[in-house]
Amino acid sequence: SQELEQSPQSLIVQEGKNLTINCTSSKTLYGLYWYKQKYGEGLIFLMMLQKGGEEKSHEKITAKLDEKKQQSSLHITASQPSHAGIYLCGADPGTYKYIFGTGTRLKVLA
Amino acid sequence: GAVVSQHPSRVICKSGTSVKIECRSLDFQATTMFWYRQFPKQSLMLMATSNEGSKATYEQGVEKDKFLINHASLTLSTLTVTSAHPEDSSFYICSAKQEGNQPQHFGDGTRLSIL
Repeated sequence: SQELEQSPQSLIVQEGKNLTINCTSSKTLYGLYWYKQKYGEGLIFLMMLQKGGEEKSHEKITAKLDEKKQQSSLHITASQPSHAGIYLCGADPGTYKYIFGTGTRLKVLA
Repeated sequence: GAVVSQHPSRVICKSGTSVKIECRSLDFQATTMFWYRQFPKQSLMLMATSNEGSKATYEQGVEKDKFLINHASLTLSTLTVTSAHPEDSSFYICSAKQEGNQPQHFGDGTRLSIL
């Protein structure tokens, strides 16, 4: 079965610093989704990547999917306290069901 | 756009009570809705998938008689936890998806506490 591994598991950065979160799949991805979750709340959709080499940006967040479609990275530029939360990558393994990574807990120190 | 409303946000009830959670897509038609369970500091675990007008498909290990799912319309799915017990206490999240190549959009979750 397909598995998603996220790294790092947790991250503490000073406000203003850049950071990167990685998501690696054991199999080729048909679709890769990035979500953000605050503790005790639902997931906020950030971005969807489907093509090898695809890159998307929204405000200060950029996500990329590698050419082989097995790894994605999420990069935050000039982090702010509002970026704090749990970042989850989700994959579509070719069915309509997602599998999720274990999440990366981000804390941004003001 | 793509707003999913989940209600209630929190439920506290006695053991043996049945609890219904609603999931609504407010501005789109959801051909498929998903129900997840999340344990503290863990990722989401898919419980079941429901398509409008048909029976839900449950994941292995999920009791369908315990977790009743109804997807009566293209904008509403309900999860009923029947005869809830303390071990059913958890955070339940729904998501909804439009037809085609679209992402899942999630509700805000329901924290269920069974005393």
